[in-house]
Amino acid sequence: EAGVVQSPRYKIIEKKQPVAFWCNPISGHNTLYWYLQNLGQGPELLIRYENEEAVDDSQLPKDRFSAERLKGVDSTLKIQPAELGDSAVYLCASSPVTGGTGELFFGEGSRLTVL
Amino acid sequence: QKEVEQDPGPLSVPEGAIVSLNCTYSNSAFQYFMWYRQYSRKGPELLMYTYSSGNKEDGRFTAQVDKSSKYISLFIRDSQPSDSATYLCAMVNAGGTSYGKLTFGQGTILTVHP
Repeated sequence: EAGVVQSPRYKIIEKKQPVAFWCNPISGHNTLYWYLQNLGQGPELLIRYENEEAVDDSQLPKDRFSAERLKGVDSTLKIQPAELGDSAVYLCASSPVTGGTGELFFGEGSRLTVL
Repeated sequence: QKEVEQDPGPLSVPEGAIVSLNCTYSNSAFQYFMWYRQYSRKGPELLMYTYSSGNKEDGRFTAQVDKSSKYISLFIRDSQPSDSATYLCAMVNAGGTSYGKLTFGQGTILTVHP
């Protein structure tokens, strides 16, 4: 069974440029998460989807971050414009359980460097 | 104060040692408790999952939860160099407006040397 696939694995951009990350969850997993992980820190939730619906986006900085999950499968996370402080690893995870109480399966992450 | 506190270490032990990793929390709504392992430049993977106070064992790993003290632990017996990774505790909120939200600790960096 294929795991959670994320792309790109690495991205280097200059500040004020836009960037987008893509995530393909495990087949059949209706719940999808985007997490941000700073160096030496645990992951922090940005947004959680159940199917197409964003059920928790309270931690998403909506002035520059946006996310979508069309058709309840793949998801895209966008940052526009990027700032120096956005340098981090962006993790996508999926779960077969709704309600947020089940096991999360993580992708390998997209590492962003903003210069 | 963070909802979940975890000593970042780093922790360095010889092969075969017993390792103890700990987290404390302040939110009584946390009802599900997990330990994730994260190798360098990889995503976290689930090691242990429990929702009740007491011990849960899986091979060399034992997860312990004490809800009255808001304290959880992960013990690794006969540690191996392959156990070298960052260990993240995580807790799920089972009440209120944050139902289903998973909160991670900072992570403890563990190195097991031969």
